[in-house]
Amino acid sequence: RKEVEQDPGPFNVPEGATVAFNCTYSNSASQSFFWYRQDCRKEPKLLMSVYSSGNEDGRFTAQLNRASQYISLLIRDSKLSDSATYLCVVLRFSGGYNKLIFGAGTRLAVHP
Amino acid sequence: DTEVTQTPKHLVMGMTNKKSLKCEQHMGHRAMYWYKQKAKKPPELMFVYSYEKLSINESVPSRFSPECPNSSLLNLHLHALQPEDSALYLCASSQAPSGSFENEQYFGPGTRLTVT
Repeated sequence: RKEVEQDPGPFNVPEGATVAFNCTYSNSASQSFFWYRQDCRKEPKLLMSVYSSGNEDGRFTAQLNRASQYISLLIRDSKLSDSATYLCVVLRFSGGYNKLIFGAGTRLAVHP
Repeated sequence: DTEVTQTPKHLVMGMTNKKSLKCEQHMGHRAMYWYKQKAKKPPELMFVYSYEKLSINESVPSRFSPECPNSSLLNLHLHALQPEDSALYLCASSQAPSGSFENEQYFGPGTRLTVT
């Protein structure tokens, strides 16, 4: 089993739709949690850090449930420009240093 | 400003060549990273530098040799690569190697490497 698992996707949605991405992680020692987005042939860009209380940034809402080891990302009123691969990323302390553990990513395609 | 720069953007090299990838950040970050990313896969960690010292080598073959000349610069020296080493090589930095929220990592645009 992978340490970070995401919906395999792809998700194809019309503009204006609400999209939910789910992610689970297996290592309870994981410390911090992030969502990155990656456009085709570009670098991953940090979208949001995910806090225990949940956090919102405009149309994006991230939630964390430590008891269930579950992370989510909700995108409301999706735009064409939201089309990308969304990576669930967990930071784990290992060997004295922090390591980012990436999920495989979920591709989102928003169409007119 | 969360900018990490990398040069070159693209690199084609033969299996007998020696080349170097360069990465720079001016955010005062003390941890820098090299990742390798193959198509349709997530990035894989190669090396971590913490306070200019090599902290993690994820069992990377010796044909990849990292170097951290100072706190802003990170190089990856390449020698005798194989075609399967063709990938996007990403550099990233974070404020510090340990702690929690200070560990958001910011990625550079990457170098797309093709080994012929």
